[in-house]
Amino acid sequence: DAGVIQSPRHEVTEMGQEVTLRCKPISGHDYLFWYRQTMMRGLELLIYFNNNVPIDDSGMPEDRFSAKMPNASFSTLKIQPSEPRDSAVYFCASSLRVLGKNIQYFGAGTRLSVL
Amino acid sequence: DAKTTQPPSMDCAEGRAANLPCNHSTISGNEYVYWYRQIHSQGPQYIIHGLKNNETNEMASLIITEDRKSSTLILPHATLRDTAVYYCIVRATNTDKLIFGTGTRLQVFP
Repeated sequence: DAGVIQSPRHEVTEMGQEVTLRCKPISGHDYLFWYRQTMMRGLELLIYFNNNVPIDDSGMPEDRFSAKMPNASFSTLKIQPSEPRDSAVYFCASSLRVLGKNIQYFGAGTRLSVL
Repeated sequence: DAKTTQPPSMDCAEGRAANLPCNHSTISGNEYVYWYRQIHSQGPQYIIHGLKNNETNEMASLIITEDRKSSTLILPHATLRDTAVYYCIVRATNTDKLIFGTGTRLQVFP
């Protein structure tokens, strides 16, 4: 399996623009997680899905952020409008819950710079 | 989830065993101990997890004390490629969230 695939790897945009980050989870996995990592706040969970349904979005910073999972093989994280403080590395992870274990596998991340 | 305490940084000579400690004194009976690591500019990588018994896999060993209040991750023969931030996380079986702390930055030197 190719693992969790994220695109783009790098994104540079100007303040006010819409940004869409994409994630393809590992085939067969039923959970998908979106994280954000910054030097100041470390690795934070933004939202996660189970069977394409959002379960917990308490980590989403504000209404400018939205996430969707239209099918089991694709998810997007959208920021509209983007702000310089959104600059961070965004990771997607997927997992399969088996007998109480839920090991997450992470993608390589998208480095976002908002100018 | 229970909080964990890890030293901010450690050094280890290449070829030696790296022993990374973690305190989780408020861990509950249904909480597992998970270890992940993050090599620079990469996504976190799962290493190992355990509940009560010691565990070993191809990457590392996990030693959990009898009272479960602390654990140690052991990399038996550290290499330069093991230089990374290592995260110790406790997670209950009834939740799917991982809460990452600040971890231990392990530097393996030649």
